[in-house]
Amino acid sequence: GENVEQHPSTLSVQEGDSAVIKCTYSDSASNYFPWYKQELGKRPQLIIDIRSNVGEKKDQRIAVTLNKTAKHFSLHITETQPEDSAVYFCPGNTPLVFGKGTRLSVIA
Amino acid sequence: DTAVSQTPKYLVTQMGNDKSIKCEQNLGHDTMYWYKQDSKKFLKIMFSYNNKELIINETVPNRFSPKSPDKAHLNLHINSLELGDSAVYFCASSKQGAETQYFGPGTRLLVL
Repeated sequence: GENVEQHPSTLSVQEGDSAVIKCTYSDSASNYFPWYKQELGKRPQLIIDIRSNVGEKKDQRIAVTLNKTAKHFSLHITETQPEDSAVYFCPGNTPLVFGKGTRLSVIA
Repeated sequence: DTAVSQTPKYLVTQMGNDKSIKCEQNLGHDTMYWYKQDSKKFLKIMFSYNNKELIINETVPNRFSPKSPDKAHLNLHINSLELGDSAVYFCASSKQGAETQYFGPGTRLLVL
């Protein structure tokens, strides 16, 4: 199965700053790269995803970039707000591996 | 009009008991999953079914048995519950394997 490594495991930023979380994958045949957000006590939900034929995708304050050569993709959150505090997951391709995620804390 | 639903939401039980968690999706998806999330938020896949057939069976004790009566339902039965089974169990579904997953609200299981 695919190996996916996510960094950092925890991240604290000041409100208004940017946050970047990176995932490295092993399977060069991977073609789907989603990011999920899980708020405290709630279910994981997809926030953005990208396919391997696209290098970048943006949705308001969040963006995902894909570097197929280096086999990594990153989540970028700009102008962070307290409600961005959550655990973020980048599951692998198939079978999907969520792992520990990254705990983002936005400090007001 | 809930997309993925699970019952019960909370389950408190004694060690050694047998319990079931039910999951239903009304999205018309072909693939359903069970995940376990421990206290450190590690979210680990347990099982995956595609059109009622088991396609992923991770290293899970055989006390856990999934059952899919039809492609809209995937239930999880747990025999002889142990303290270490305490966790949040999430059901999810997707159109196909490597597609967006829609999660249920989770079942918080506490084994005493």
